[in-house]
Amino acid sequence: DVKVTQSSRYLVKRTGEKVFLECVQDMDHENMFWYRQDPGLGLRLIYFSYDVKMKEKGDIPEGYSVSREKKERFSLILESASTNQTSMYLCASRANYGYTFGSGTRLTVV
Amino acid sequence: GNSVTQMEGPVTLSEEAFLTINCTYTATGYPSLFWYVQYPGEGLQLLLKATKADDKGSNKGFEATYRKETTSFHLEKGSVQVSDSAVYFCALSEGRIQGAQKLVFGQGTRLTINP
Repeated sequence: DVKVTQSSRYLVKRTGEKVFLECVQDMDHENMFWYRQDPGLGLRLIYFSYDVKMKEKGDIPEGYSVSREKKERFSLILESASTNQTSMYLCASRANYGYTFGSGTRLTVV
Repeated sequence: GNSVTQMEGPVTLSEEAFLTINCTYTATGYPSLFWYVQYPGEGLQLLLKATKADDKGSNKGFEATYRKETTSFHLEKGSVQVSDSAVYFCALSEGRIQGAQKLVFGQGTRLTINP
């Protein structure tokens, strides 16, 4: 089974901190995605990557950046965390047969 | 742009009741359609999918039919169980380039089944 592993289940950070959310997949997938999940809004795409060092903005990229130096790892970076970035963050990877999601990181910015 | 609209929750049913969760979409072209389920504390799991009009996806007693004429993909189950309690997301795939296909999600519907 494909595994998508997010390094932290819960994080608490202070306003203004630089935050790194890590995601690793073990099946050599080219496509990886970062979504945020908020009640009543579903999942919204922040950034995605379809190859190493390639990245594209999703629907809500403001305040975020990403890094993909190796195929298996896709990092989401909050340059200066704000309280409105308190959310559940989900990473996913994709192969021809479909998407696999990680268990999520619940980030609280105080 | 493309979008997905689901019926608002939460939905609360008794065990063995019939379930329908409505989903409609707006899209250019012919997207694939999906239902994902999220159990408490977990990520999303694919429940079923359909890739073209009139296709029926099914899994674990759940079914949904891709209706192009009504742009709908309603989720149904004949007899729900307590273990079906979860959040359900309808989604479509978009993107012209095979490798850059993205999922667009509805807002999610929380389902609670009481014994």
